[in-house]
Amino acid sequence: DIQMTQSPSSLSASVGDRVTITCRASQSINTYLNWYQHKPGKAPKLLIYLASSLQSGVSSRFSGSGSGTDFTLTISSLQPEDFATYYCQQSYNTLFTFGPGTKVDIK
Amino acid sequence: EVQLVETGGGLIQPGGSLRLSCAASGFSVSTKYMNWVRQAPGKGLEWVSIIYSSGTTYYADSVRGRFTISRDDSKNTLYLQMNSLRAEDTAVYYCSREGDGGSGETDFWGQGTLVTVST
Repeated sequence: DIQMTQSPSSLSASVGDRVTITCRASQSINTYLNWYQHKPGKAPKLLIYLASSLQSGVSSRFSGSGSGTDFTLTISSLQPEDFATYYCQQSYNTLFTFGPGTKVDIK
Repeated sequence: EVQLVETGGGLIQPGGSLRLSCAASGFSVSTKYMNWVRQAPGKGLEWVSIIYSSGTTYYADSVRGRFTISRDDSKNTLYLQMNSLRAEDTAVYYCSREGDGGSGETDFWGQGTLVTVST
């Protein structure tokens, strides 16, 4: 099975900050990497698919990059509605494992 | 409008069985791959199972042999049959559907249904 790790596990940031979250796969997954935002009591929301493709309707302040084993999610200017937990997910093989999550909260 | 509505959660004793349903509208479940994902209390998202439009299914190691994913195309509904339930299966269970990118992403999710396995 492919294992996913994320760093940091949590971070505190201010509105307007640039935030970067890293995701690493235990083996190459090409660009089969997705990013989700999850808020308590809500359904997860797809932000980025295929490592860098912005999901329709998602703000352009979200961007993704990477290939192989190392990936990043960047929020260019953090907004109040962005405080949430972010998960990466590999979809390279048939067991679509998630990373452990990165919680972004208010500094 | 695409909608997914999960039902069937509740309190169940260890060793018991439960069937979750996910009623879809706005698209046909037979044309998309569909997933179940869960989140245990205080934990992260865990992918559970997938059924492809072909009917092929896959499961996470933690549930293989105990859970069965299926769908009823006539009812446009996805199911998760859960047997031999354990305390560690306690979680909110979400159903989700294949995104238009078709690369394993999921673009629509239900609101989830809570399963509690406890005496």
